Amino acid sequence: DQQVKQNSPSLSVQEGRISILNCDYTNSMFDYFLWYKKYPAEGPTFLISISSIKDKNEDGRFTVFLNKSAKHLSLHIVPSQPGDSAVYFCAATDSGTYKYIFGTGTRLKVLA
Amino acid sequence: EAGVAQSPRYKIIEKRQSVAFWCNPISGHATLYWYQQILGQGPKLLIQFQNNGVVDDSQLPKDRFSAERLKGVDSTLKIQPAKLEDSAVYLCASSLVPGTIQETQYFGPGTRLLVL
Repeated sequence: DQQVKQNSPSLSVQEGRISILNCDYTNSMFDYFLWYKKYPAEGPTFLISISSIKDKNEDGRFTVFLNKSAKHLSLHIVPSQPGDSAVYFCAATDSGTYKYIFGTGTRLKVLA
Repeated sequence: EAGVAQSPRYKIIEKRQSVAFWCNPISGHATLYWYQQILGQGPKLLIQFQNNGVVDDSQLPKDRFSAERLKGVDSTLKIQPAKLEDSAVYLCASSLVPGTIQETQYFGPGTRLLVL
């Protein structure tokens, strides 16, 4: 039973354009969501997060949108840069367990 | 500030052998996590420690996996005996005491295990 799903295994985007990565979840108890970025042979690094009391959080080129009614979140990267090429994982947790549930990841390739 | 350290980075063993991984969390982080990441999947929590006590080990295959965190700092994860399906990256993460949900987990580089 996958509670957090990233249905696109890969995505290619031209440099300078917008990258949109999507994530769906099924557990309505989740109230905090995170995006991690992972380069090859490295551990995941925290990118951005959003609480369920918000519908948008922005940090520089990265914006996360949350649609609670649809149980959907997305990460927007504008403008995309070649250094953004990595695997992106979304994760969800709840304030009862603090246990992170990760999606399967989306491999983003930004083409120069 | 030094990040989460893990060793070894790579390990190749034959099935039925034993293996151990080591993790040193970020200084001052009371909570330590071990995750298993199988190729093509997201990280899956195996065990969570707060200081030297186990908070959650519900997904740890206890017949072959064990973990300890003596003195509430470093931790070791052991597999004995290993099976082919244990081939994965083992990630260690740490966070300050998760008193609030915004307490982010910081990951080490992982140990890539291949069981032949």
